[in-house]
Amino acid sequence: AQKVTQAQTEISVVEKEDVTLDCVYETRDTTYYLFWYKQPPSGELVFLIRRNSFDEQNEISGRYSWNFQKSTSSFNFTITASQVVDSAVYFCALSEAASNTGKLIFGQGTTLQVKP
Amino acid sequence: DSGVTQTPKHLITATGQRVTLRCSPRSGDLSVYWYQQSLDQGLQFLIQYYNGEERAKGNILERFSAQQFPDLHSELNLSSLELGDSALYFCASSVGGRSYNEQFFGPGTRLTVL
Repeated sequence: AQKVTQAQTEISVVEKEDVTLDCVYETRDTTYYLFWYKQPPSGELVFLIRRNSFDEQNEISGRYSWNFQKSTSSFNFTITASQVVDSAVYFCALSEAASNTGKLIFGQGTTLQVKP
Repeated sequence: DSGVTQTPKHLITATGQRVTLRCSPRSGDLSVYWYQQSLDQGLQFLIQYYNGEERAKGNILERFSAQQFPDLHSELNLSSLELGDSALYFCASSVGGRSYNEQFFGPGTRLTVL
């Protein structure tokens, strides 16, 4: 069965520290897509990245980077030199090509608090 | 701003009542999704529409129904409300309705059932 696990419920760091948010997924599908979303205190879900199951290249966008490892079914998210504005709940999500739909399966989320 | 609009922002109602949540997708998006976010269940997929047709159904209660209209806006109807229906309801939209399409979320409607 499909599942996304974000084992870290809450993480607290001090500004400028690097922080990694873990995401482990389960799927029987060979083609799938992984996503990260950010939910700031304002409540809206903001799309951050999509990764295809057949593309294991890591991705970097500014202070954000993502490490996709099929061997461990993980898609971890690292924020370098964290800032107070990074404080939010971060969700990892999975969609399966076999479903032929856009249904997203979300993890429980990780609350990141960045203290000044 | 994602371009997805939802109304109302907040809704307070009583048990047993019926409410309608409205969503307008981003311009050009054909698919609309509804998700429920609650403290105990997390973010759960409810239902997806693509160009007016139902595409997928998730953990949507029989008391809940949705539709997508010809102008592509969508409504989620919740009836016989219970305390446990209190949650944040998100609408999202995407260009297509496939697993690889990025979904953009609206600001949500916070429903409180008293």
